[in-house]
Amino acid sequence: DIQMTQSPAYLSASAGDRVTITCRASQTIETYLNWYQQKPGKAPTLLIYSASSLENGVPSRFSGSGSGTYFTLTINSLRPEDFATYYCQQGYASPRTFGQGTKVDI
Amino acid sequence: QVQLQESGPGLVKSSDTLSLICSVSGGSMRNFYWNWVRQSPVRGLEWLGYIYQTGSTNYNPSLRGRVTISLDMSKNQVSLKMKSVTSDDTAVYYCVREVGDDGFGLWGQGRSVMVSS
Repeated sequence: DIQMTQSPAYLSASAGDRVTITCRASQTIETYLNWYQQKPGKAPTLLIYSASSLENGVPSRFSGSGSGTYFTLTINSLRPEDFATYYCQQGYASPRTFGQGTKVDI
Repeated sequence: QVQLQESGPGLVKSSDTLSLICSVSGGSMRNFYWNWVRQSPVRGLEWLGYIYQTGSTNYNPSLRGRVTISLDMSKNQVSLKMKSVTSDDTAVYYCVREVGDDGFGLWGQGRSVMVSS
């Protein structure tokens, strides 16, 4: 299985900050990398697919980049509603696998 | 607006079979991959498998053949069966719609399932 490793596991930030979360794959996954946001008690929602494509309806302050084994999710000008847990997921090979998550907290 | 709703028992006895149904409303089931993903504090998010409209399936090998996903497009439903459950299978189970390589774009609200000994 392809292992997905996110860092940091926990990130403390303030509204207005720019934050970056990284995700590393144990082998190349080209750009088959997706990012999700999850709030407590809710299902994850798709933010970014194919490493850098913004899902419909997702604010432009979210952006993704990377290819191969290294990827980043950046949130510009953090808003109160962005405090959540973020997950990366690879769609390159079966089984699909997720990172362990990054909690963005105040 | 397409919605996914999981239903089924919230409590299953150890060694029994877990059975969940995902009801799809507001749209067609065609041209999508229908996945099941579960989440627990210990395992995090874990992909269980998918089924496509043709009936083709793909399962996570870690489940050692315990999982079956089926599709009934006449009823707009996807089902999950997991046999021989243990406490390790206690989790929130999500039904998830996927379009090709564009990620898991639509999730149900999830169904919490506890396996009791």
